Order: sequence, then structure tokens, then C-alpha cells
Amino acid sequence: DTEVTQTPKHLVMGMTNKKSLKCEQHMGHRAMYWYKQKAKKPPELMFVYSYEKLSINESVPSRFSPECPNSSLLNLHLHALQPEDSALYLCASSHVQGAGGGEKLFFGSGTQLSVL
Amino acid sequence: AQSVTQLDSQVPVFEEAPVELRCNYSSSVSVYLFWYVQYPNQGLQLLLKYLSGSTLVKGINGFEAEFNKSQTSFHLRKPSVHISDTAEYFCAVSGILFRYSSASKIIFGSGTRLSIRP
Repeated sequence: DTEVTQTPKHLVMGMTNKKSLKCEQHMGHRAMYWYKQKAKKPPELMFVYSYEKLSINESVPSRFSPECPNSSLLNLHLHALQPEDSALYLCASSHVQGAGGGEKLFFGSGTQLSVL
Repeated sequence: AQSVTQLDSQVPVFEEAPVELRCNYSSSVSVYLFWYVQYPNQGLQLLLKYLSGSTLVKGINGFEAEFNKSQTSFHLRKPSVHISDTAEYFCAVSGILFRYSSASKIIFGSGTRLSIRP
């Protein structure tokens, strides 16, 4: 199994709603990532988890709250979002290695989020 | 800090013609370089990567890239494109991050849209 599965594929929410995005992988990867991608733009890193611990937070607003309940699952909890938060949210995973990176990222197909 | 510049936002090519997508990087430390492809309504998929060794890297779907340290470039090439190559292509870089020692921090370029004309 070399897939990263994201649910839901599409989500429409109001600014007062609370929703969650889910991501799952069964490749034994111990690093998981959330990226945000606006239309016609590159993915922007939001969070990185390594061994289920948050290791990178790219100054993301607190209305986005990540959670890594176990080594296979990654969630992104959403609350009080703004219309400008509408975007494709991509989850990725990779093997973990020492300093230097170079690991291949495996991406899910993303959740297309619209905030009304 | 590392950065990546993709010089062309769009590249139109006729089917079966060769193509080159340009990428330049900037870094004060050793880097790893990648090309990812994003087909419509999908996530990104790795085409190829350069870590060290031979400067000519071969990837999937007939693509290859050449690492040129003196010109700080990592251009992507394919000798003959197909309609199915229509996609967004992202050059990316990651480097030695002493603060983040257990996961990769990859920075993506702005992307190049490859459109294939029959």
C-alpha cells in the first residue's frame, strides 16, 4: 500500500463551523505533513509531525489545529475559518531520516475546502 | 535559506516535441533537489530527485534532469512529450536543517504549467 488517503475530498463550511480533515497512510512513515495550496500556486508547508510530535509549525493561525493521534493518522481541525482559507489542503508522508532531508514525499489527493 | 525559481509559468509544446522546464535554486548549504508533477485534481507525485553522485538523474515517465552546481540549475527535460504529460510541474529543494533533524522541509517553486498541443 503506497497511498495516502485524505477525506473528505470536498468540504464546504461556514465561518462559524467546526470541521476536521483526515489523512491516513499505512506505509510505516513516521513523518507526516500538511500543505495548503491556493489555485495556480505551489504548496505551502503548514505543519510537520515527526514520530507523532509536532516538529514544524510555519506560523499558521490558531484556527488551524493539527493532531497526530497515532503513526498512521493525521488530522487538521478547522474552526472559525475565513473565506481566504479556501484552498486545496494536501497531506503528505515520508520516511524519517537524520538531518538533511532528501526523503520522497507521498501526497494524498487533497481536500478542496471552500469557506463561505 | 533555500529558494527555488522556476523561470517559466507556462510552456506550450507540440506533441512528440522535446521540452525543457527550467529551475534555478539558491542555497548556502548542500541541497537536495526534486521535480514533482501534479495532474489536474490530484496531489503531487515525485518525478525524480538529486541527492548526490551523477549529475544526470533519470526519473519516471521518460523525464530526466541535470544538476549543474556552477549554474545552480536543475532543469527538467523530456525528448518527446505526450498529451498525458499535460500537468503542473514543481521544482523543489530541501537542505540540511539543523533545527529540524528528523523530517524534511521541502520548499516548492512557483510551478510550470506544461500544455501539450496535438
